[in-house]
Amino acid sequence: QKEVEQDPGPLSVPEGAIVSLNCTYSNSAFQYFMWYRQYSRKGPELLMYTYSSGNKEDGRFTAQVDKSSKYISLFIRDSQPSDSATYLCATFKQGGSEKLVFGKGTKLTVNP
Amino acid sequence: ETGVTQSPTHLIKTRGQQVTLRCSSQSGHNTVSWYQQALGQGPQFIFQYYREEENGRGNFPPRFSGLQFPNYSSELNVNALELDDSALYLCASSLRAGQETQYFGPGTRLLVL
Repeated sequence: QKEVEQDPGPLSVPEGAIVSLNCTYSNSAFQYFMWYRQYSRKGPELLMYTYSSGNKEDGRFTAQVDKSSKYISLFIRDSQPSDSATYLCATFKQGGSEKLVFGKGTKLTVNP
Repeated sequence: ETGVTQSPTHLIKTRGQQVTLRCSSQSGHNTVSWYQQALGQGPQFIFQYYREEENGRGNFPPRFSGLQFPNYSSELNVNALELDDSALYLCASSLRAGQETQYFGPGTRLLVL
């Protein structure tokens, strides 16, 4: 079983839609949960990160972590064509091997 | 404040050759991690360098090696290139070892023929 599972999509939505992106993870020791955005042929850009369970909001983006079900979500409100990218979830455990563990990424297209 | 930079942007090599990729960390960051991202996959951790020492390694063979310099810049060396080494190689820097927030460079796209 992979440590982080993410549906690769692709996901196509109309402009203005609410987008829900999800990941599951297997290791309950993971403490930090990140979302990165990666445009085509670019490096990943850190969008948001949360520590442990709970919600975090930043503008149109909301990250949610449910440690009891090992479920990570990113919601994008009022999606824009500029949000079209691949979204990568990642987890991290302090005191471990110092690595980020990534999902495969979900490719999102927002159509005008 | 400058971000993470990597060179070269693209590289084509043939099987069996050796390659060196370079990374300059973000200003003030002393830790550099390297990741390999195959097409359609998430990045996979290769190793991390902190204060010029290797500080964690992923499941990659010894022909993947690295260096970190006193100015915290870093190199990734890959010997005896194989076709499967074709990927985007990403460097990420963080303020210190053990920190969860890592900031990525644009990557070096390596094609092995």
